[in-house]
Amino acid sequence: NAGVTQTPKFQVLKTGQSMTLQCAQDMNHNSMYWYRQDPGMGLRLIYYSASEGTTDKGEVPNGYNVSRLNKREFSLRLESAAPSQTSVYFCASISGVRASPLHFGNGTRLTVT
Amino acid sequence: GENVEQHPSTLSVQEGDSAVIKCTYSDSASNYFPWYKQELGKGPQLIIDIRSNVGEKKDQRIAVTLNKTAKHFSLHITETQPEDSAVYFCAASPSGSRLTFGEGTQLTVNP
Repeated sequence: NAGVTQTPKFQVLKTGQSMTLQCAQDMNHNSMYWYRQDPGMGLRLIYYSASEGTTDKGEVPNGYNVSRLNKREFSLRLESAAPSQTSVYFCASISGVRASPLHFGNGTRLTVT
Repeated sequence: GENVEQHPSTLSVQEGDSAVIKCTYSDSASNYFPWYKQELGKGPQLIIDIRSNVGEKKDQRIAVTLNKTAKHFSLHITETQPEDSAVYFCAASPSGSRLTFGEGTQLTVNP
């Protein structure tokens, strides 16, 4: 049982390049999330998908787009990367049952030069 | 929206001592308060949670207390061990799904 799988683990981009971070969960969860983690700032929500076919902005959505491809997969796209997007990105999922735990992947460390 | 503040940002204790991490929240509608532990290179993992109808919850060496009136909740780790060294995050939510996280506490347990 893999849980939440994120690819790639590491990525270096030049300013202006684009890329897509992939996330897949095998727990049949309804809701999926993308967070970024920066030193001293905790985990900030970028986008989330409450259910298949829906997506909503979180706290820091600017510069990102998402796609909920199906119930398992939720991708995050950077169209034109900026140094301010250097961060560790975490995907998470939750079953949708009230107050059930959020399950995280192991993150993607992104550096934009 | 919800705002969660967490203190201290770093905490160093001797093995066997207790560690306490405190969080405050702003939204009186929040009713779910989980704590996550993040080890180096890994994603956060839930270690304990508490709902607003409960004042205290304990699981072996870990306990969480909640004061709804003052809008703060705390994580208590007793008899700390080196493997407790990690970053700990508190979070709050009015619904249990969209969580707002604190800034994190780096706990170091010295042997």
